[in-house]
Amino acid sequence: EVQLVQSGAEVKKPGESLKISCKGSGYSFTSYWIGWVRQMPGKGLEWMGIIYPGDSDTRYSPSFQGHITISADKSISTAYLQWSSLKASDTAMYYCARQGYSSSPGDYWGQGTLVTVSS
Amino acid sequence: EIVMTQSPATLSVSPGERATLSCRASQSVSINLAWYQQKPGQAPRLLIYGASTRATGIPPRFSGSGSGTEFTLTISSLQSEDFAVYYCQQYNNWLNFGQGTKLEIK
Repeated sequence: EVQLVQSGAEVKKPGESLKISCKGSGYSFTSYWIGWVRQMPGKGLEWMGIIYPGDSDTRYSPSFQGHITISADKSISTAYLQWSSLKASDTAMYYCARQGYSSSPGDYWGQGTLVTVSS
Repeated sequence: EIVMTQSPATLSVSPGERATLSCRASQSVSINLAWYQQKPGQAPRLLIYGASTRATGIPPRFSGSGSGTEFTLTISSLQSEDFAVYYCQQYNNWLNFGQGTKLEIK
């Protein structure tokens, strides 16, 4: 069974750093892309960026380039989304999703990680 | 950037009736169009890809059509579990979502 399991909810202060994770199982982790999606409170979905764990090829949406870093550790089948300096506007639910290609829909999704940034 | 526009924002339909949701792209995306369902507190679920192909495990009451810039998701006979928010997404050039259509019980 394909599963993506994300790390738990986080509460942080503005300016702090954060790294959240997404662990894949039930499939060849290095053969599929992982995408990260943001959903701000009460809002729609935004695709932030993607990574191919097989060779760490990473691509970012222009809207998020420079503010986030996506990485992966294929030895433990885990992808990461990190911030070096959080803002209150980063408060959102973040999902990871498996993609067959760099431009393909997400067929399996993680359960989401809620990030709250507040002073 | 390709802009995806969904209509209506909210659709009120009675159980057992048909629901038709629309999605328009600002430029052609061929058939590189997907539909997702999201229920409160849950992750999105892929329903349709390639504009008209149902994803694994999706019941046949869900159907998609269209190509180029105009797309439709039809739910033929609404069940109670179908009331949710639906998003379209183009994946022809990067990945962009529409703003969503909330399908509510009439």
